[in-house]
Amino acid sequence: QVQLKESGPGLVQPSQTLSLTCTVSGFSLTSNSVHWVRQPPGKGLEWMGGIWGDGSTDYNSALKSRLSISRDTSKSQVFLKMNSLQTDDTAIYFCTTRSAYWGQGTLVTVSS
Amino acid sequence: DIVMTQSPSSLAVSAGETVTINCKSSQSLLYSGNQKNYLAWYQQKPGQSPKLLIYWASTRQSGVPDRFIGSGSGTDFTLTISSVQAEDLAIYYCQQYYDTPYTFGAGTKLELK
Repeated sequence: QVQLKESGPGLVQPSQTLSLTCTVSGFSLTSNSVHWVRQPPGKGLEWMGGIWGDGSTDYNSALKSRLSISRDTSKSQVFLKMNSLQTDDTAIYFCTTRSAYWGQGTLVTVSS
Repeated sequence: DIVMTQSPSSLAVSAGETVTINCKSSQSLLYSGNQKNYLAWYQQKPGQSPKLLIYWASTRQSGVPDRFIGSGSGTDFTLTISSVQAEDLAIYYCQQYYDTPYTFGAGTKLELK
């Protein structure tokens, strides 16, 4: 069955870079897109960006200068890197595919 | 970017009532090539990931109860929940996937009256 699981550091210092991994199973990354969505505590959902089956990427224009999404198909992993983190980047970060399948999310807190 | 405007932001209901949540997009989500509206509805309960309810504006995801009905076309969409159950208390989001960035509405919180 389709599964996605996010992993990464729970705490990041301001101005540092966030690196998250989404490990997937039950589907092929070369045939499906994977997207990153985040949700600040108590707030709504924000689509951050995605990587398509052909490896091309799209980003939220508000984050584009700081964000990079990549993948390793041999390991069934998708990566998110975002630099220059600030406190308002504190959020639960989800990876999702086909809209119907979501990881459990990982809370990232930006604090010194 | 396509802006998604949801209303109301919150709704207090009693069990058994019918509720309507509205979602308006700043541009049409209807693709003329296939006559499909690129609009989805999600339900999110506290501490959980979003759950897909409706896609293509009106197609119910497998396993979703038929009391959840999506309708609308172009720029105006509605999620109707008939005979609300206690388990339906959650936040509901619309999302357009017509064009990147795939924007969400701000959410509608369904609460118990």
